[in-house]
Amino acid sequence: EDQVTQSPEALRLQEGESSSLNCSYTVSGLRGLFWYRQDPGKGPEFLFTLYSAGEEKEKERLKATLTKKESFLHITAPKPEDSATYLCAVQEGSQGNLIFGKGTKLSVKP
Amino acid sequence: KAGVTQTPRYLIKTRGQQVTLSCSPISGHRSVSWYQQTPGQGLQFLFEYFSETQRNKGNFPGRFSGRQFSNSRSEMNVSTLELGDSALYLCASSSTMDTQYFGPGTRLTVL
Repeated sequence: EDQVTQSPEALRLQEGESSSLNCSYTVSGLRGLFWYRQDPGKGPEFLFTLYSAGEEKEKERLKATLTKKESFLHITAPKPEDSATYLCAVQEGSQGNLIFGKGTKLSVKP
Repeated sequence: KAGVTQTPRYLIKTRGQQVTLSCSPISGHRSVSWYQQTPGQGLQFLFEYFSETQRNKGNFPGRFSGRQFSNSRSEMNVSTLELGDSALYLCASSSTMDTQYFGPGTRLTVL
């Protein structure tokens, strides 16, 4: 009964090769959807919060979008320093806890 | 503002022992949540504290417990450690039921 599913599990890109990461969710009463970046041995670093379908947010080479069933994290012209695991999490209804997907491990080669 | 801090950063314990981990939230944040991260299960929610009260609890055995102090600092305790408790334990703080900011984690190894 996976509530948050991320795909692909791993993605290898060449520097400059744009792509998208997917996060699909099956929770009722979505309160918010969150994207985090995690480097090895470190805690997740907050990137974006999305609240409603149609919402978009951007930060440098990253753009997050949200529909009623999924979210995409678009990476434009990635650089090696964008290599990390990207985590998606949802917050449901009145619950404060985050439900995480397993993440997408992104590798960007120069 | 200083970020979320967690101590210690690394711990090695043996089965049957107990352990206490500490978390200091971002100044002004009153909510503290704890998560366990393992390669197989990913990030899983343990519990959340707000104003010294446990507000929400995940699906973990009673060996896992926590508390929050009046200054919002939080501790979690794991008793009777098992090999499967080896994980990265993450603390996150937030000012409302919204964006959570994570600390660097405590790496617990149970031998």
